Amino acid sequence: EAGVTQFPSHSVIEKGQTVTLRCDPISGHDNLYWYRRVMGKEIKFLLHFVKESKQDESGMPNNRFLAERTGGTYSTLKVQPAELEDSGVYFCASSQITTEAFFGQGTRLTVV
Amino acid sequence: EDKVVQSPLSLVVHEGDTVTLNCSYEVTNFRSLLWYKQEKKAPTFLFMLTSSGIEKKSGRLSSILDKKELFSILNITATQTGDSAIYLCARQSRSGNTGKLIFGQGTTLQVKP
Repeated sequence: EAGVTQFPSHSVIEKGQTVTLRCDPISGHDNLYWYRRVMGKEIKFLLHFVKESKQDESGMPNNRFLAERTGGTYSTLKVQPAELEDSGVYFCASSQITTEAFFGQGTRLTVV
Repeated sequence: EDKVVQSPLSLVVHEGDTVTLNCSYEVTNFRSLLWYKQEKKAPTFLFMLTSSGIEKKSGRLSSILDKKELFSILNITATQTGDSAIYLCARQSRSGNTGKLIFGQGTTLQVKP
């Protein structure tokens, strides 16, 4: 069974540019989460999809971040325009209703 | 904002040692507490604890939750170099229909040969 996959694994962009991160959850998992770890800090929740609907987006830092989940399958997280403080590792995780979340390998975003 | 606090933040031991990692939290009403191991990239699931006082075991690893004292411990016996990793503790929220996780800072464990 394929796990959670994220693309790209690493992205380096200049301040002001746009970056789109992609997450493919485990097949059949309705719940999809985005998390972020900035250097030196703990992993923090960004948002939660149930199928294609945003269940909780309380962790989204500001309106430069836009997440979508087309047809309840894969999800994208767009940062536009990127700022230096957006650098970090972005994790995606998926789960069934009451089970543990399985994480992808993360996308390391570096904004220079 | 409620926190999850892990201790120690880092630990260096030798192969064969036993280690105990600690995780404390502040909220009494939550769905579950989870432990993950992060080696290079993806955090991998270890345990999900929902009931107080019931130990979960997997090989040399075990974990238990104390809901009265608001903490959990992860034990690793007869450590091996392959146990070197960041160990993450996370509380799963019960509010609404979200299962979002609130993470601690992690404990970095290094096992020397």
